[in-house]
Amino acid sequence: QVQLVQSGAEVKKPGASVKVSCKASGYTFTDYYMHWVRQAPGQGLEWMGWIKSDSGGTNYAQKFQGRVTMTRDTSISTTYMELSGLRSDDTAMYYCARKLHIGTTWNLHYWGQGTLVAVSS
Amino acid sequence: QSALTQPPSASGSPGQSVTISCTGTSSDVGDYNYVSWYQQYPGKAPKLMIYEVTKRPSGVPDRFSGSKSGNTASLTVSGLQAEDEADYYCSSYAGSDNLVFGEGTKLTVL
Repeated sequence: QVQLVQSGAEVKKPGASVKVSCKASGYTFTDYYMHWVRQAPGQGLEWMGWIKSDSGGTNYAQKFQGRVTMTRDTSISTTYMELSGLRSDDTAMYYCARKLHIGTTWNLHYWGQGTLVAVSS
Repeated sequence: QSALTQPPSASGSPGQSVTISCTGTSSDVGDYNYVSWYQQYPGKAPKLMIYEVTKRPSGVPDRFSGSKSGNTASLTVSGLQAEDEADYYCSSYAGSDNLVFGEGTKLTVL
């Protein structure tokens, strides 16, 4: 069965960077893009971007360009999302997510459990 | 890219039907049949309920249905049940390999 397991919660100071991992299992890692979505406390879902798991190509939401970097390590079926220049409003739950199956598109069916990133001085 | 517009709240009594709207533009909802709907309980990851406007993943009850007209997509929940009380989000492909979410709607079962 498809599983996405994310790294644990992080507490960071303003201006620092955070790197969240998402380990995939149960499918051929390189067959699917991985998306990242975040949710601030009490707020809605916000799409951050995707990484193409085979080539490493990326596309970031305009809001995060210049601050986010998505990478992957195919040898361990793991995707990473690094966010730099952290501010208090980056405090959120960060999710990785994958689509339902090949032949569908632009949906997010499988989700990681989420990683809470708290930014506080 | 602006968030898609959803009503902040919706409600209905058990057994009734409720419809949640998701309004975008001709550059997202109106231009692509890639609207999805997600259900989210507090403290949990979202769950895909509808994709590609009208399709349901395996295991999603057929009480949940989706539609689209012009720049507005809709999620209808028929035969409301207590467990349907949750937050619901729409999303749409917005061109240029971008995705946009709706603001979210809190569904209350009275």
